[in-house]
Amino acid sequence: SAVISQKPSRDICQRGTSLTIQCQVDSQVTMMFWYRQQPGQSLTLIATANQGSEATYESGFVIDKFPISRPNLTFSTLTVSNMSPEDSSIYLCSVRTGLGYTFGSGTRLTVV
Amino acid sequence: EDQVTQSPEALRLQEGESSSLNCSYTVSGLRGLFWYRQDPGKGPEFLFTLYSAGEEKEKERLKATLTKKESFLHITAPKPEDSATYLCAVRPGGSEKLVFGKGTKLTVNP
Repeated sequence: SAVISQKPSRDICQRGTSLTIQCQVDSQVTMMFWYRQQPGQSLTLIATANQGSEATYESGFVIDKFPISRPNLTFSTLTVSNMSPEDSSIYLCSVRTGLGYTFGSGTRLTVV
Repeated sequence: EDQVTQSPEALRLQEGESSSLNCSYTVSGLRGLFWYRQDPGKGPEFLFTLYSAGEEKEKERLKATLTKKESFLHITAPKPEDSATYLCAVRPGGSEKLVFGKGTKLTVNP
């Protein structure tokens, strides 16, 4: 199955700033997924990123707040823009593999 | 609306004390039910995928089963290293996304 490297693993950011999270996969994949895991809540899909096209966002998530890049078949970034304390969460990228879906180790974001 | 409910929220077991975790779901056109294990500070680790009612899969002390409305994760003679949060998710028909439950936090005491 695919191996995903996600950076940074954690960060503490000031409100009003932006953070870009990187996700690198060791094999080429068509789709990459970005999830959010808020404290005490279930993992929720933010958007699906396909190489060469605009990301598809789930209800409640918008491109201005969570811009995504997908420059090639092994890499994607998610930016959390104009952060507020409500954005404090774990952000995870995921790819579909033969058995199921593989997840990165996550980025724990704290906004102060 | 696609929905996944896991119970209990938390479960404490003594080492060797077998039990089951429940995952109830409503989904339009199930394309797979997934079980994951998540350790603190880490991403979910894939355990099983089940596709149709009656299907069962096993891995070491874990066995997952599926009916048309729910799935069970049976843990036989658990060890402290089985302590983790267990997540259940469904893939709705016509979608690539997974819909997750909130998870069951399992603690196994020695």
